[in-house]
Amino acid sequence: EAGVAQSPRYKIIEKRQSVAFWCNPISGHATLYWYQQILGQGPKLLIQFQNNGVVDDSQLPKDRFSAERLKGVDSTLKIQPAKLEDSAVYLCASSSTREGRGQETQYFGPGTRLLVL
Amino acid sequence: AQSVTQPDIHITVSEGASLELRCNYSYGATPYLFWYVQSPGQGLQLLLKYFSGDTLVQGIKGFEAEFKRSQSSFNLRKPSVHWSDAAEYFCAVGDPTDSWGKLQFGAGTQVVVTP
Repeated sequence: EAGVAQSPRYKIIEKRQSVAFWCNPISGHATLYWYQQILGQGPKLLIQFQNNGVVDDSQLPKDRFSAERLKGVDSTLKIQPAKLEDSAVYLCASSSTREGRGQETQYFGPGTRLLVL
Repeated sequence: AQSVTQPDIHITVSEGASLELRCNYSYGATPYLFWYVQSPGQGLQLLLKYFSGDTLVQGIKGFEAEFKRSQSSFNLRKPSVHWSDAAEYFCAVGDPTDSWGKLQFGAGTQVVVTP
């Protein structure tokens, strides 16, 4: 079974530029998560999708971050414009709804390492 | 406020020695508890999880964790570490009343294994 795919793996941009990250979850997984992991910290949930609907985006900085999952499969996270403090690893994860609610195992991709100069 | 704390930022252990990583949480009720491992350049991988029942949980790669309600802890252990266990370990908690399974992660503990 293929894992969660993410691209690109690394990205360097200057502040005020825009950037986009792509994620393809495990086939059949209805739930997709985007996390931000700042150096020295644990992952922080930015947004969670159930199929193509958003179920939690309470920690997404909506003035600059946006995400979509139009067909309920792959997803794109965008930052526009980027700030220095956006330098982090952006992790995508997916899970199946076959396990009990709240008990799902989240499967993570390798992440995209973003450096904003 | 709900929180999860990993008191040790960094631990160095000799290969073959035992390892224990601490995790403490602050929640209104018993949360769902998870341990994930992150190897360099890779995503997080689930080691084990606890929801209810037997307080000693067995996971993959020879890891186990013990839930102690009285101490609000969920410490991870391994009797004998291998060089491949060098990684960052994250404790995470979930709210059983949250239908969507959102997790809150600790800051992580970096494990270094010496020969």
